[in-house]
Amino acid sequence: RKEVEQDPGPFNVPEGATVAFNCTYSNSASQSFFWYRQDCRKEPKLLMSVYSSGNEDGRFTAQLNRASQYISLLIRDSKLSDSATYLCVVPLYNFNKFYFGSGTKLNVKP
Amino acid sequence: DAGVIQSPRHEVTEMGQEVTLRCKPISGHNSLFWYRQTMMRGLELLIYFNNNVPIDDSGMPEDRFSAKMPNASFSTLKIQPSEPRDSAVYFCASSRDRGRTGELFFGEGSRLTVL
Repeated sequence: RKEVEQDPGPFNVPEGATVAFNCTYSNSASQSFFWYRQDCRKEPKLLMSVYSSGNEDGRFTAQLNRASQYISLLIRDSKLSDSATYLCVVPLYNFNKFYFGSGTKLNVKP
Repeated sequence: DAGVIQSPRHEVTEMGQEVTLRCKPISGHNSLFWYRQTMMRGLELLIYFNNNVPIDDSGMPEDRFSAKMPNASFSTLKIQPSEPRDSAVYFCASSRDRGRTGELFFGEGSRLTVL
């Protein structure tokens, strides 16, 4: 089983829609989680961290469900500029390895 | 401030040739990571250095791959001999404190095509 699994999508949504992605992880000892964003043919960049209580940054909300071992990313009022691939990241407890999911592609249409 | 700098940005080579990819991490960062990204396998961690010392190279595909970090401001990833299946985008990333904040700063990548 892979360390991190994501639905590859693509998710095609109209502007203004709310969209959510899930990511499952296999290591129950993992403590920290992150969402990265990668634009087409660009490098990944940190979008937000996911804490046990969840995290909200403007239109973006990340939540953690330890019992089911998944994290989610919710995007409200989606913009054209949100079109990208969203990567779920789970570091091992000692932060030596950052496991990246394969990414979920989002296309926001006008 | 300058970000992570990688070179070359693009390389096209023939099977059997040696390829050397270079990376300059952000000044003050003490951890450096080499990743490879393909459509089929996504982002794979190849090797990780902390304070210039290789900590974990279990992701290096085979002996044809080697990486060095002779000082805090420079690292290389070498493939010798290269094969078509090595075609991918190779990213270098750096972080402070082994990335405890979760933030890895990636370079723009080196896109390698092996014919």
